[in-house]
This record gives sequence, structure tokens and C-alpha cells, in this order.
Amino acid sequence: EAGVAQSPRYKIIEKRQSVAFWCNPISGHATLYWYQQILGQGPKLLIQFQNNGVVDDSQLPKDRFSAERLKGVDSTLKIQPAKLEDSAVYLCASSSNPGQPYEQYFGPGTRLTVT
Amino acid sequence: GNSVTQMEGPVTLSEEAFLTINCTYTATGYPSLFWYVQYPGEGLQLLLKATKADDKGSNKGFEATYRKETTSFHLEKGSVQVSDSAVYFCALKLGNEKLTFGTGTRLTIIP
Repeated sequence: EAGVAQSPRYKIIEKRQSVAFWCNPISGHATLYWYQQILGQGPKLLIQFQNNGVVDDSQLPKDRFSAERLKGVDSTLKIQPAKLEDSAVYLCASSSNPGQPYEQYFGPGTRLTVT
Repeated sequence: GNSVTQMEGPVTLSEEAFLTINCTYTATGYPSLFWYVQYPGEGLQLLLKATKADDKGSNKGFEATYRKETTSFHLEKGSVQVSDSAVYFCALKLGNEKLTFGTGTRLTIIP
């Protein structure tokens, strides 16, 4: 079974530029999560999708971050415009059962550096 | 709100040493508790879990016991290997709320 795929693995941009990250979850997983992991901190949930609907986006900075999962499969997370404090690893995870968090499978992450 | 406090790293041990990584939590109810591991260049993986008091989670030689009286879930392993070098995250989940992670502990094992 293929794991969660993310791209790119690394991205360097200047502040005020925009950037997009892509995630392809494990086939058949209805729930998709985006996390932000700042250096020295644990992952923080940005947004959770159930199929193509948003379940929780309470910690998503909506003035600059957006995410979509139009067909209920892969997802894109966008930052526009980026700030220095957005430098972090962005993790995507998926699960078949949102009620059982230990079934979350994580991708390798995208490391974003904003200069 | 809910929170997880982990032993600060980095932790460096010699091969075959005994490992303990401390984790305590604060929650308004009785959460499920987890340890995740992140190997270099890889995503987080669930290492073990416990869903109620006195449960012991175990996997790959690692163990952790859910202690309600001390609100703790310390990770232990009797004899570590170089391949255990990774970052370890303690986490909790209460009901339908999201996973709350600790800050992570980097472990390095020296041959």
C-alpha cells in the first residue's frame, strides 16, 4: 500500500511570495489533515477534511492560508503572502476513520523556508 | 485547554542503555495517549498507544503505561539501539477533539 505522498519536499521563498503544497493521501482514506510543525514544536493541526468538506479549520490563519480538497482525494495548501514565521515543516496525514487518531498516516512533509 | 509536556532534549545515550522519556499531560477528562516517532527524513509513525488508565502500550521493545494518578505516560526501553535514533512525540486526544502533541524529544544513540 502506497503511503501519503507530498510535494515538494523542500521549498525556499522570499517573504510576501506565495507557495503551494500538494498532498495525495492513502487510497480510500476519507479524512485528510494538514499540520504545521515549527522547529522545536510539535505538529499543530491547521485543517481537517472529511471527503471534500472542512471539519476543523479553527487554527488556520485564513487571512493568508487556504486549503482545498475539491474531489475528496488529493489536497493543496496555499500560503499567500508568506511571512518569515511561516517557516516550518508542513505535514499531511490521512486516515480511514477520524474517530481513531492512531490510524493517522503521515507523509514525509514539506520543509518551507521563508527568507 | 489540553496540553502535553515532554522531557526536553536532546537526549544522547550509548547503545544498550536504558531509556526513559518523560511525558505528562493536562486534560479536562480522560484522554487517549500516544507516542509517535519520526525517523530522519520520514513522516511521523504511531509507536504505541493507551486508551484508558493503567493500560500499557508496547511496540518494538518500547513501553509506556497510562498513569492517571500522576497524569503521565513515560516512554521506556530497556536496551536502545542506534536505529532508535529519532524524534519522539507524546500526544493526547480527548473525545472528538484534535490530537495535541508535545514538543518532541530528539534521541541520539551512540554505538
